[in-house]
Amino acid sequence: EAQVTQNPRYLITVTGKKLTVTCSQNMNHEYMSWYRQDPGLGLRQIYYSMNVEVTDKGDVPEGYKVSRKEKRNFPLILESPSPNQTSLYFCASRQLRLASLNHTDTQYFGPGTRLTVL
Amino acid sequence: SQQGEEDPQALSIQEGENATMNCSYKTSINNLQWYRQNSGRGLVHLILIRSNEREKHSGRLRVTLDTSKKSSSLLITASRAADTASYFCATEGNSGAGSYQLTFGKGTKLSVIP
Repeated sequence: EAQVTQNPRYLITVTGKKLTVTCSQNMNHEYMSWYRQDPGLGLRQIYYSMNVEVTDKGDVPEGYKVSRKEKRNFPLILESPSPNQTSLYFCASRQLRLASLNHTDTQYFGPGTRLTVL
Repeated sequence: SQQGEEDPQALSIQEGENATMNCSYKTSINNLQWYRQNSGRGLVHLILIRSNEREKHSGRLRVTLDTSKKSSSLLITASRAADTASYFCATEGNSGAGSYQLTFGKGTKLSVIP
């Protein structure tokens, strides 16, 4: 089954304790992205990656890092989490338009990771 | 940067009625997508309409796009209690840094009363 998986689904941590949220997709997609969702603000993009070893900042990258060492994985790293990073996080993936003649522009989202930083 | 803005923010209807949600955006787009989210859960892709399309159907969903007004609408016909969710529009830019990046609105919260 084509899917995007995230782990963990729920996490409560304390300020300053480094954490990693993993994201993996099995659709061989080039493009992967991280979003955070906050009440009243909708979804905002944190980082994205166009392919292996290619990453770039989205709208709200401060306090986050990402890496793209393999095509299927795109972990989100919080080196020193703070309470303002308490949020619902979503990973997403899609094909690039030139990757296939039958490409789709649909982004596929993971189930979300609810993070609480105390 | 927030681009899509949904209207209304909340909508409550009786089962069987039609629900219409609107989305406005600011810059040129490649496509516009609608997603559904059940409370606190993942986003489910509903339908995508490209900038050169004006209307698209999928089951009980009908989406229109007016690029001259930079607006879109999502119509859900014969609503069911199971349609209760938040609905988001998302626009994909058509050039430079906007390509592939989805910019979401804040969503419309739909409640369908049985």
